[in-house]
Amino acid sequence: KAGVTQTPRYLIKTRGQQVTLSCSPISGHRSVSWYQQTPGQGLQFLFEYFSETQRNKGNFPGRFSGRQFSNSRSEMNVSTLELGDSALYLCASSLTQGSGELFFGEGSRLTVL
Amino acid sequence: GQSLEQPSEVTAVEGAIVQINCTYQTSGFYGLSWYQQHDGGAPTFLSYNALDGLEETGRFSSFLSRSDSYGYLLLQELQMKDSASYFCAVRPVGGNYGQNFVFGPGTRLSVLP
Repeated sequence: KAGVTQTPRYLIKTRGQQVTLSCSPISGHRSVSWYQQTPGQGLQFLFEYFSETQRNKGNFPGRFSGRQFSNSRSEMNVSTLELGDSALYLCASSLTQGSGELFFGEGSRLTVL
Repeated sequence: GQSLEQPSEVTAVEGAIVQINCTYQTSGFYGLSWYQQHDGGAPTFLSYNALDGLEETGRFSSFLSRSDSYGYLLLQELQMKDSASYFCAVRPVGGNYGQNFVFGPGTRLSVLP
């Protein structure tokens, strides 16, 4: 069974631009969550989607947004990029909302110049 | 809020046993999870303690004591491939029941020959 797939794996943007990252969860998984990983702040929760609805949101500015489609695939968007947005963005899926287990993708590494 | 603490680095030799501690200050959570992440890789789920006590999965064991606000991951018969970062994570009570994990800062384990 295929794992969580994230695209693109690497991307470089400049300040002020916007970016869209994509995540395809494991087949059958309906919960998708997004995390930002940086050396300074570690792994931080961005938001979670279940059945196309945002269930939880982390403490990030409104420039960070996301959505989930009917096939459970998810996208996240960051607008007006800042240098501090450079990070590894990880998507994770789980079978249910109550699971203690997340299945992570390899991540999308964003560099903002 | 939620706050988890882990040692930043641990070093051990092949074949040894190492314990990685996770202490936390939290108003409530559903369970304690552990993840392993190799450099450049995705976090991989190791174990989950929903209840106090010991959970064993092969060479890895995890322990939780809610009364002591403390948990640990125990790695036995260390192998070189165990060199990685290890994260504890909790899913806090409150908000919408979901996959909004709070992660610890991570412990970098180095296994020496």
